Amino acid sequence: AQSVTQLGSHVSVSEGALVLLRCNYSSSVPPYLFWYVQYPNQGLQLLLKYTSAATLVKGINGFEAEFKKSETSFHLTKPSAHMSDAAEYFCAVSGANNLFFGTGTRLTVIP
Amino acid sequence: DTAVSQTPKYLVTQMGNDKSIKCEQNLGHDTMYWYKQDSKKFLKIMFSYNNKELIINETVPNRFSPKSPDKAHLNLHINSLELGDSAVYFCASSPTPGTGDYGYTFGSGTRLTVV
Repeated sequence: AQSVTQLGSHVSVSEGALVLLRCNYSSSVPPYLFWYVQYPNQGLQLLLKYTSAATLVKGINGFEAEFKKSETSFHLTKPSAHMSDAAEYFCAVSGANNLFFGTGTRLTVIP
Repeated sequence: DTAVSQTPKYLVTQMGNDKSIKCEQNLGHDTMYWYKQDSKKFLKIMFSYNNKELIINETVPNRFSPKSPDKAHLNLHINSLELGDSAVYFCASSPTPGTGDYGYTFGSGTRLTVV
């Protein structure tokens, strides 16, 4: 069975600081992993995805994530936070017929 | 051009009513989904259709009935609405799982409020 665990339901960073959102996965098969962002009152937008190619995946808006099999992790990072990054972030793993989502991490950016 | 579009965006209705949410995708995907996002933002699959056939039917009350007239449309009909049905419902689509492309595209959501 596939699942993901997001560590930290709320993360606050100062504008310009490093963003690190943690995600650990559990999968009985090689996983396909995703990060989605949800801005207030909006839908889910794909930030990036790992589909067994390069372990360092670059996404939109300056985000990237690194797949580490030994740590079963797929943490999301951004070198410098911007006010517009404030949103809810979801990690997800692909199952046979659907995506399994983590519980989300709310990112707050402090001016 | 909106890839996955849902209507309505907001829906406020009284308990006991019947309502429908419509979803359409123009991506040529074979698989469509309904997800429910609760008040704590948790997202859970409700239904999945592949080429108009039901693939996933999670533990959802049978008051919820999905209908897929063709592979570009997946509608959700809810009978006898209850307060606990209040949530945001997301439609999504993807290529057939296992085909090598794992892009899920989500609609903007329908916020259902039952009063």
